[in-house]
Amino acid sequence: DQQVKQNSPSLSVQEGRISILNCDYTNSMFDYFLWYKKYPAEGPTFLISISSIKDKNEDGRFTVFLNKSAKHLSLHIVPSQPGDSAVYFCAASLITGNQFYFGTGTSLTVIP
Amino acid sequence: GAGVSQSPSNKVTEKGKDVELRCDPISGHTALYWYRQSLGQGLEFLIYFQGNSAPDKSGLPSDRFSAERTGGSVSTLTIQRTQQEDSAVYLCASSKNRGGLETQYFGPGTRLLVL
Repeated sequence: DQQVKQNSPSLSVQEGRISILNCDYTNSMFDYFLWYKKYPAEGPTFLISISSIKDKNEDGRFTVFLNKSAKHLSLHIVPSQPGDSAVYFCAASLITGNQFYFGTGTSLTVIP
Repeated sequence: GAGVSQSPSNKVTEKGKDVELRCDPISGHTALYWYRQSLGQGLEFLIYFQGNSAPDKSGLPSDRFSAERTGGSVSTLTIQRTQQEDSAVYLCASSKNRGGLETQYFGPGTRLLVL
């Protein structure tokens, strides 16, 4: 039973435009959310996080938005660059827990 | 400053055989985690080590799965009597101390295929 879902397996965006990756979760107790980026043949690397007390967190070109009522979060990349092409995973957890629940990933392709 | 390494990178085995997957965490990292990603699924937590002990084994899918960690460093994940549904990418991560997911550094994974 997937508690974290990424319904778009792939996304293509033109270089310089905005990339929006979406993630939905089912457990209203989740209070900490993260985005990971994964290149082929490499492990995932941490990108950005947000706790449930905030609705937005920004780091350079990357912004994560959290809508708790809708149990939805999104990652915005502006402007998108070809080097951003990778698989993006969202993850959620209870801040007190060791377990993390990941989505299935969205493969982003940024077209030069 | 080597990162987390895993071996083998790929493993093909026959159904019913045992396999051992190895993880070398970053030196000095006390926490170590195993995950797996099956086709079409998100990363699934398997087990967490703090030092040599495993306070959380709740993610292990069956008693065919076991893991150990020796010397507070290398960990091995063993799957006995492999089944086709065990085919997945097995990822290991380590962190300096027990902490949030963002503190974890992932290895490149072992891709296991059970025929």
